[in-house]
Amino acid sequence: GESVGLHLPTLSVQEGDNSIINCAYSNSASDYFIWYKQESGKGPQFIIDIRSNMDKRQGQRVTVLLNKTVKHLSLQIAATQPGDSAVYFCAETTRSNQFYFGTGTSLTVIP
Amino acid sequence: DAGVIQSPRHEVTEMGQEVTLRCKLISGHNSLFWYRQTMMRGLELLIYFNNNVPIDDSGMPEDRFSAKMPNASFSTLKIQPSEPRDSAVYFCASSLGAGGLGEQFFGPGTRLTVL
Repeated sequence: GESVGLHLPTLSVQEGDNSIINCAYSNSASDYFIWYKQESGKGPQFIIDIRSNMDKRQGQRVTVLLNKTVKHLSLQIAATQPGDSAVYFCAETTRSNQFYFGTGTSLTVIP
Repeated sequence: DAGVIQSPRHEVTEMGQEVTLRCKLISGHNSLFWYRQTMMRGLELLIYFNNNVPIDDSGMPEDRFSAKMPNASFSTLKIQPSEPRDSAVYFCASSLGAGGLGEQFFGPGTRLTVL
C-alpha cells in the first residue's frame, strides 16, 4: 500500500535566482525565531535568527523577515546555489521558553 | 571542538531488544535536546535538559523511553523494549542558552532500525 507521510511544501528554483521560504507561526507569545537548514543525511544547521523586536535581519546571502502582525516569517536566499538544496525549518521560542519546530520546506535548486 | 558527537551512527536491532543512544555535548554548553525525525511525523522534540536537569519530557512517547544526563557533557537515550515503530533518526543537540533560546548545534544523528 502507499505510505502516508508528511507532505513537505516544496520549492524549486533555478540556480542564480532568489528563493523565498515562508513560515507561519500561531503563538503570539513567540519572541525568538531561528531558521535551520538540513541537508540530506545530516542534522539541522543554524542559518540565522531574529528576535521579535526586529523586522529584518541580514546574513551572508540570507535575510529573515518577521511580520508579527500576521505571524509570518520568511527566509530569503539570494543567488541560490545548488548547495542550498535542503529542507529548511523555522523554529520559534516563546517567552516562557517553550519552543517548536515547523514541518519544513524542501528547496531544490535546478542547475 | 568536534561538535556534538553521537554514537552509534547506525543501529539495527530486533524488536524487544534494548537500545542505548549516546550523545556528547559541546564543551561549555548547558542545554541538551533529544529529537526524533521520521517521514511520518517530521522532527519531534523528545526531551530537553538544562544544567543536567530534565526540563520538558512531554515529547517522550511512553515509558519505554528514558533519558539521562549522568554528567554535564554526556547523555543517553534508552529504549526498552524497542518496537518497529521506534525506527527513526534520533538527533541530539546542545546549546548555550536555556530552552529554545540560542542556536542549537545538532549532532549527525543515529539511524535506528528496529526489525
